[in-house]
Amino acid sequence: DAGVIQSPRHEVTEMGQEVTLRCKPISGHDYLFWYRQTMMRGLELLIYFNNNVPIDDSGMPEDRFSAKMPNASFSTLKIQPSEPRDSAVYFCASSPTSIPSNEQFFGPGTRLTVL
Amino acid sequence: AQSVAQPEDQVNVAEGNPLTVKCTYSVSGNPYLFWYVQYPNRGLQFLLKYITGDNLVKGSYGFEAEFNKSQTSFHLKKPSALVSDSALYFCAVRAPTTDSWGKLQFGAGTQVVVTP
Repeated sequence: DAGVIQSPRHEVTEMGQEVTLRCKPISGHDYLFWYRQTMMRGLELLIYFNNNVPIDDSGMPEDRFSAKMPNASFSTLKIQPSEPRDSAVYFCASSPTSIPSNEQFFGPGTRLTVL
Repeated sequence: AQSVAQPEDQVNVAEGNPLTVKCTYSVSGNPYLFWYVQYPNRGLQFLLKYITGDNLVKGSYGFEAEFNKSQTSFHLKKPSALVSDSALYFCAVRAPTTDSWGKLQFGAGTQVVVTP
């Protein structure tokens, strides 16, 4: 299994531009999570999906952030317009419901720099 | 509400010495507890978990953790640390309710530095 796949691995953009981060979860996993990691705030849960449906988006910082999961094998996190304070590492993780312990499998992350 | 505290930002240990990374939690009901490790420029990797049963849980890379209900702690331990154990360690908790079925609460992380 290839694990959780994220693209791009690195993204550098200018303030005001639209940024789209992509995630392919592990096949068969029903849950998908988006996290943001910064030195100041640590690891924050932004949103998570169950069977492609958003369950909890209370961690999404503001309307500039949106996430979609059009099918079981693909999700996007979009920032429009981007701001320098959005600079962070964004992780996608997936988890199977067959494991009640809810172990999560993380992707390698996308390092976003907004200039 | 559930929460996790990792009281140490950094733990320094010499190679070959025992390693302990502390974690305390607050949650309603019996918790599900986890440890993850993050190496530089990598995603988090699962180390071990406590669900129920034996309070001593063994995981990957020689790590173990002890669940202590009275002290609401779940400290990570390794009898003999390696330089390659240098990484960022996260404790996480989930309350066993359907409302929070998917949601893990992570601690702030503890940086472990193992010196040769």
